[in-house]
Amino acid sequence: EAQVTQNPRYLITVTGKKLTVTCSQNMNHEYMSWYRQDPGLGLRQIYYSMNVEVTDKGDVPEGYKVSRKEKRNFPLILESPSPNQTSLYFCASSLVWQGAYTEAFFGQGTRLTVV
Amino acid sequence: DQQVKQNSPSLSVQEGRISILNCDYTNSMFDYFLWYKKYPAEGPTFLISISSIKDKNEDGRFTVFLNKSAKHLSLHIVPSQPGDSAVYFCAASAYRDDKIIFGKGTRLHILP
Repeated sequence: EAQVTQNPRYLITVTGKKLTVTCSQNMNHEYMSWYRQDPGLGLRQIYYSMNVEVTDKGDVPEGYKVSRKEKRNFPLILESPSPNQTSLYFCASSLVWQGAYTEAFFGQGTRLTVV
Repeated sequence: DQQVKQNSPSLSVQEGRISILNCDYTNSMFDYFLWYKKYPAEGPTFLISISSIKDKNEDGRFTVFLNKSAKHLSLHIVPSQPGDSAVYFCAASAYRDDKIIFGKGTRLHILP
């Protein structure tokens, strides 16, 4: 079954404690990205990756890091989480076809609370 | 500066009638547009897309219309069904820019 898997689904952590949210896709997609969803702000792109070892900033990259060492995995790293990073996070992957990004497949989401 | 705007936070439509969700964009370089549907506690799922070389794309009950001169697209759902109650996101991308920009979403309520 084609899917994007995020872990954990729920996480409560304290300010400053490094954490990683994992994301894995089994569709051999080149493009992967991370989004955060906040009330009234919709989905905002944090980071994206065109392919292995190629990553770039989205609209709200501050306080986040990513890596793309393998095509299937795209972890999101918060080196020093702060309360304003409390949010619902989604990982997504999509195929690149003729230069366009086809529909993205999203993970189930990770609800992060930083206290 | 919002490049993709969904100006209606919510919309209520009677079951069986047409639902029309609107989306405006400001970046004339956008050339690919997508609609996603999101239920609570789930990730968004792809609904329908349209390339800027077209002005209409249809898939079953869902039709997306693109008006490039007005920088406006709309999603029509006919007939609306209870399962269509969800949040709908409009998204856009440009060929030479790898970012994908989402609107804030419109919550659609289908009334019995």
